Amino acid sequence: DSGVTQTPKHLITATGQRVTLRCSPRSGDLSVYWYQQSLDQGLQFLIQYYNGEERAKGNILERFSAQQFPDLHSELNLSSLELGDSALYFCASSVSGGTGYNEQFFGPGTRLTVL
Amino acid sequence: DAKTTQPPSMDCAEGRAANLPCNHSTISGNEYVYWYRQIHSQGPQYIIHGLKNNETNEMASLIITEDRKSSTLILPHATLRDTAVYYCIVRYSGANNLFFGTGTRLTVIP
Repeated sequence: DSGVTQTPKHLITATGQRVTLRCSPRSGDLSVYWYQQSLDQGLQFLIQYYNGEERAKGNILERFSAQQFPDLHSELNLSSLELGDSALYFCASSVSGGTGYNEQFFGPGTRLTVL
Repeated sequence: DAKTTQPPSMDCAEGRAANLPCNHSTISGNEYVYWYRQIHSQGPQYIIHGLKNNETNEMASLIITEDRKSSTLILPHATLRDTAVYYCIVRYSGANNLFFGTGTRLTVIP
């Protein structure tokens, strides 16, 4: 158990819909990262938040957005869903924002299926 | 971040050492080598990291060549629970994300 929690575990929805994935980082961790893992793309970095502020952006689509709240939990919002958005979405957390040694602890993931 | 090359798959007998190679010939002086693994769709798990010296922890050893162009992760006594995809990642210390390539799928055989 990494100490990172993600909800829900599974999500099934239809094309065109909007969903919200939630992540609670390990106690004391200030950074939250979101990754997407699909069969054809592998694990891809989407976005990072550090202490409430966006710190880095990866291959995140404009239809996706995220935020980190004052209690440091984070939400990833996916809208206008397409079949290709079906994937495992992982959240990770780390103590710091990137400088120096920065081990990331991953949650169990949310499996999103878009029908 | 420098690119890495890993064999797509490897087998190892249970109880034997598993040696997983990684090439990172374009690594620069301030980039670390990290190893993570992912067991069947679970979240990736940190194993070990190093800059230029060999490192050992309770999970594995990391051997980095003197020119730093390649490294080997060693699991000293592989068990069935070590069956996973192992990712070698080269990362600048100030970078904010991990770039996961395709990794090596290690299968430990009874």
